[in-house]
Amino acid sequence: DGGITQSPKYLFRKEGQNVTLSCEQNLNHDAMYWYRQDPGQGLRLIYYSQIVNDFQKGDIAEGYSVSREKKESFPLTVTSAQKNPTAFYLCASSSVSATNEKLFFGSGTQLSVL
Amino acid sequence: AQSVTQLDSQVPVFEEAPVELRCNYSSSVSVYLFWYVQYPNQGLQLLLKYLSGSTLVKGINGFEAEFNKSQTSFHLRKPSVHISDTAEYFCAVLNSGYSTLTFGKGTMLLVSP
Repeated sequence: DGGITQSPKYLFRKEGQNVTLSCEQNLNHDAMYWYRQDPGQGLRLIYYSQIVNDFQKGDIAEGYSVSREKKESFPLTVTSAQKNPTAFYLCASSSVSATNEKLFFGSGTQLSVL
Repeated sequence: AQSVTQLDSQVPVFEEAPVELRCNYSSSVSVYLFWYVQYPNQGLQLLLKYLSGSTLVKGINGFEAEFNKSQTSFHLRKPSVHISDTAEYFCAVLNSGYSTLTFGKGTMLLVSP
């Protein structure tokens, strides 16, 4: 089955620790995205990448880092600089088009601080 | 900046009643509009989209939305809801000159028997 796989489903972070969220897709999509979801806040864009070895900051990139070494993979690292990391993180992908007409989403990772 | 406003954070409704979820967007010469649905602890799924053409757009699960340029609205409707429609619904916009979607804050649809 084609789709997007996020892992782990639940993740706990200790103070001062970096953690990495995994996102893999086998849809042959060029573009990939990371969103953060907080209750009542909707989805906010952290980073996105439209091609391998290139990525751009979204609206709330501070305290996060990404890499795009392979087309299929777009891991997100939540660094110790992110002071309020507890949230639901969603990865998405799409074929690159002018209309960005359909995003495919993973099932999310819930990150909590111990 | 492109923006979208969902006026209601929660909409409670009884089963088999009609429902409308409201969405207003920032105006642009060229705009694309989307509704996504999120079931608990899952990612989002596309319900429907407006790119061009007919202003009445039909989506999955019996939902439809109408693009109203003069009122800059894209309200989502369903004539008769089911318990299984309980979920959070997100409106999203893509204006010309932008390459990523902007999502609204979501509306939680609560369907009770």
